[in-house]
Amino acid sequence: QSALTQPDSVSGSPGQSITISCTGNNSDIGTYNFVSWYQQRPNNAPKLIIFEVSHRPSGISDRFSGSKSGNTASLTISGLQGDDEADYYCCSYTNINTRVFGGGTKLTVL
Amino acid sequence: QLVESGGGLVQPGGSLRLSCTASGFTFSQYWMHWVRQAPGKGLLGVADINSDGRGTNYAESVKGRFTVSRDNAKDTLFLQMNSLRAEDTAVYYCIRDLGANVFDIWGQGTMVTVSS
Repeated sequence: QSALTQPDSVSGSPGQSITISCTGNNSDIGTYNFVSWYQQRPNNAPKLIIFEVSHRPSGISDRFSGSKSGNTASLTISGLQGDDEADYYCCSYTNINTRVFGGGTKLTVL
Repeated sequence: QLVESGGGLVQPGGSLRLSCTASGFTFSQYWMHWVRQAPGKGLLGVADINSDGRGTNYAESVKGRFTVSRDNAKDTLFLQMNSLRAEDTAVYYCIRDLGANVFDIWGQGTMVTVSS
């Protein structure tokens, strides 16, 4: 199972919006709505921020939103803040009952 | 809460057994995962196990070398790692799966270094 494809890096200024894409295929994202997103700050464990494509866990800001079209899922962060600076990973369920992660995207807040 | 232990430095070809102790929830009700992260790299699912321990899955890179198991009476998840290679060097995270690919609780991670 190949890793999902994410851009290596994205950047934006405070207050702006950014979108991180996550591309898979018909064996994962294209078939299942079991896509989740994780935020990882330096030297910390990842933290769940989006599940089932577009749902936010309790306590996660509504500045974070998720969507999906075809084989590509997207994470949008609006009203960028300094503490959004982190690595972001997508993850999808697959048709062989495994989970596959994206390679990760480093978000820089300028 | 999940707390991993058992990491350390091991020579190539050696073995380690990681443990993950759960608290604050009914451990026996959840699918559990081990995910690793090599230094400066992304996340990789290593192994997972269903709630009663009878169903497991492994990444191709660890099949035949790693074994995931659990003791629901002791709220503990294990990862037995044999024939370790340099490329197994990583932080290993223990994770609770709520279902539907929702990894809602992560341990702090334990570092495994395979080097001579």
